[in-house]
Amino acid sequence: GENVEQHPSTLSVQEGDSAVIKCTYSDSASNYFPWYKQELGKGPQLIIDIRSNVGEKKDQRIAVTLNKTAKHFSLHITETQPEDSAVYFCAARSGGSYIPTFGRGTSLIVHP
Amino acid sequence: DAGVIQSPRHEVTEMGQEVTLRCKPISGHNSLFWYRQTMMRGLELLIYFNNNVPIDDSGMPEDRFSAKMPNASFSTLKIQPSEPRDSAVYFCASSLSQPQNTEAFFGQGTRLTVV
Repeated sequence: GENVEQHPSTLSVQEGDSAVIKCTYSDSASNYFPWYKQELGKGPQLIIDIRSNVGEKKDQRIAVTLNKTAKHFSLHITETQPEDSAVYFCAARSGGSYIPTFGRGTSLIVHP
Repeated sequence: DAGVIQSPRHEVTEMGQEVTLRCKPISGHNSLFWYRQTMMRGLELLIYFNNNVPIDDSGMPEDRFSAKMPNASFSTLKIQPSEPRDSAVYFCASSLSQPQNTEAFFGQGTRLTVV
């Protein structure tokens, strides 16, 4: 089955800096890669996703890149703000499966 | 749409008692997932239903755990008897798997504490 590795487990940045979270996956058949943000006491919520026919996708301050050859994808947050502080999860899903496999999560702390 | 609705939000129970967690998926979604979240193990998939049928229950830890989906709008996860190591946050998520394959939408979770 799919295996998703996520790094780092904790990331601490100053407000205004950029933050990058990286994930690798094992199943070359995976073709859908969502990113979720989980705030304290809430369930994970989708913030951006990318499909395997696209190399990069951007939405305001967040962007995701995908390298299918290397089987890794990354989340980039620019101009970080304190409200970006949360746990971020990457996931991968194969075209033949409806089950997303999640990484272990990254706790992002943005210091004002 | 109100999103995925889980109840209760918090549950505290004594070891040995039966616990039932409930989930109402988003209307029209035909895939439902139960996840368990702990600090040690992260988000673990317990069971996956498609069109009310359990497709993958390989993540269910042991026979004390059972899940049902009697109709498209309701699912339960039952632990009997409960143990302290079952303490975790349990999430239900739903998605549309056909004809589109959408992302999974999560509920707010049920925080279970077994004392």
